Amino acid sequence: DGGITQSPKYLFRKEGQNVTLSCEQNLNHDAMYWYRQDPGQGLRLIYYSQIVNDFQKGDIAEGYSVSREKKESFPLTVTSAQKNPTAFYLCASSISRATEAFFGQGTRLTVV
Amino acid sequence: DAKTTQPPSMDCAEGRAANLPCNHSTISGNEYVYWYRQIHSQGPQYIIHGLKNNETNEMASLIITEDRKSSTLILPHATLRDTAVYYCIVRVHSSNTGKLIFGQGTTLQVKP
Repeated sequence: DGGITQSPKYLFRKEGQNVTLSCEQNLNHDAMYWYRQDPGQGLRLIYYSQIVNDFQKGDIAEGYSVSREKKESFPLTVTSAQKNPTAFYLCASSISRATEAFFGQGTRLTVV
Repeated sequence: DAKTTQPPSMDCAEGRAANLPCNHSTISGNEYVYWYRQIHSQGPQYIIHGLKNNETNEMASLIITEDRKSSTLILPHATLRDTAVYYCIVRVHSSNTGKLIFGQGTTLQVKP
């Protein structure tokens, strides 16, 4: 089945540790996105990539880093510089920036 | 991107049509109307989108007024599994980022 896979679904980390969230898609989509969702809030864009080996900062990129070495993969690293990392993280992909995006099931990160 | 206004919550009886309204009075001529829904603790699910003509797919129908200042998402026969937060989004297809701006949405509760 084609789709977007985020892993793990739940992740716990100690404060001060970096953590990497996985996002893989087999839809042959060029564009990929990372969003963050806090309780009762809408989604906020962290990073996006329109094509392999290229990515751009979104609205709340501070404390996060990404890579796009393969078309299928867009991992997100939450660094110790992110002040409030506990959140629900959502990865999405689309054929291009002009088409509808499809989302993974999310990773809920809790930093203690 | 234009701002949208949706009622915070709605109820619908199972088996009946659910009509979810959205106001987007400042929409520009090149902005599309998108609908997504998010079931609790899952990633958003794409439903439908349109520019000015009414659209229908296997999930729903989208009715856009002639002046394009408002639209209605119709779920023809709501089931309990349609209980979710529904988001109305307007977006320019030529956007530099492809970003989707999620507001607070409408929480639809389908009741037996």
